[in-house]
Amino acid sequence: GQQVMQIPQYQHVQEGEDFTTYCNSSTTLSNIQWYKQRPGGHPVFLIQLVKSGEVKKQKRLTFQFGEAKKNSSLHITATQTTDVGTYFCAAGYGLTGGGNKLTFGTGTQLKVEL
Amino acid sequence: DGGITQSPKYLFRKEGQNVTLSCEQNLNHDAMYWYRQDPGQGLRLIYYSQIVNDFQKGDIAEGYSVSREKKESFPLTVTSAQKNPTAFYLCASSILPGMSNQPQHFGDGTRLSIL
Repeated sequence: GQQVMQIPQYQHVQEGEDFTTYCNSSTTLSNIQWYKQRPGGHPVFLIQLVKSGEVKKQKRLTFQFGEAKKNSSLHITATQTTDVGTYFCAAGYGLTGGGNKLTFGTGTQLKVEL
Repeated sequence: DGGITQSPKYLFRKEGQNVTLSCEQNLNHDAMYWYRQDPGQGLRLIYYSQIVNDFQKGDIAEGYSVSREKKESFPLTVTSAQKNPTAFYLCASSILPGMSNQPQHFGDGTRLSIL
């Protein structure tokens, strides 16, 4: 099936530093979603990107979708301890490319130290 | 409150035993999904259903079975054929897609271990 690579697997930062996680697909995506999973919790939907080159912001979080719709990134500015968790991208390949399925990346685990 | 309820939270399976994980939603969503989560491997799709009495295999369906007799319920059975069942199992639901995928809402998960 389709595969989505996500890097890095782990990231430790000092509070106040920036953080970025990257997601790459070998095939063109229809759309991409991002989820956050707190330790011991379940994934929670953050955002969906659909258009080529799209950029969306949520407070300190900036989400980008590549021009070729094969990659995406999540950038957090000035991390806080509340940002701790694992961030997953989830790729949608469109109704003809996989129905309503999402293919999840392996996730990036973020730890923030004071 | 609307949401997805998974039970039990923890489950132990003996060798050769089938176990069933419950997933109920009151969000009136048509689509439901089962994922398996292992450390360092993200979420892998086991089965999904877009309508009552119909479901499709995901990427790792071997050793699992599901049913969708009611819109609200999508139970997952881990059969004895699944030789490595220890994992965190997550159920999710969404409205049906239009032109693109829809956000998925997750339950709190069931952690299954082998005795």
